Amino acid sequence: KAGVTQTPRYLIKTRGQQVTLSCSPISGHRSVSWYQQTPGQGLQFLFEYFSETQRNKGNFPGRFSGRQFSNSRSEMNVSTLELGDSALYLCASSEQTYEQYFGPGTRLTVT
Amino acid sequence: GIQVEQSPPDLILQEGANSTLRCNFSDSVNNLQWFHQNPWGQLINLFYIPSGTKQNGRLSATTVATERYSLLYISSSQTTDSGVYFCAVQPSGGGADGLTFGKGTHLIIQP
Repeated sequence: KAGVTQTPRYLIKTRGQQVTLSCSPISGHRSVSWYQQTPGQGLQFLFEYFSETQRNKGNFPGRFSGRQFSNSRSEMNVSTLELGDSALYLCASSEQTYEQYFGPGTRLTVT
Repeated sequence: GIQVEQSPPDLILQEGANSTLRCNFSDSVNNLQWFHQNPWGQLINLFYIPSGTKQNGRLSATTVATERYSLLYISSSQTTDSGVYFCAVQPSGGGADGLTFGKGTHLIIQP
């Protein structure tokens, strides 16, 4: 099976803009989770989608949102970008909410 | 929420040495995973091990759930083992918060 894929791999945006990141899970996996990795805060859970419904949410502001489509592909959106949103965004998929498999990540730089 | 502590934070070894990485967690878990983050940022699954012992080549892991810790053993280290090793857990009771990660152990294997 193909692994988790994420697009784009690299992105540069300006403060105040918005951005949309995409994640395609492993075939057959219905759960998709998103994580943010920064040098200061480490790896933090953003949210999880299962069968097109947000099931869990981490402690992030409302500027961070997501959705999941019927084919389990997921997108996350960050509006009104801030410099502190510069990070590696990782997507993971799983069959339940147990063993998770990660994609290569999207490295976002906000200038 | 659940707390995850990894030790040591940094470890420098010569090629061929053995190492033990530790992960302590503060509550009962239904998911515990060990990852190796490669230089490009991707998290590579090493073990899914909420309890018990597993081995995969030169790597093995043990989780003692009743005492809330897990150990990752690397034997006969190679330079390609260098990188950051993360322990991540989900608390029992539905996996409500996604994976909670430790701060990682930065391993450097010198030739």
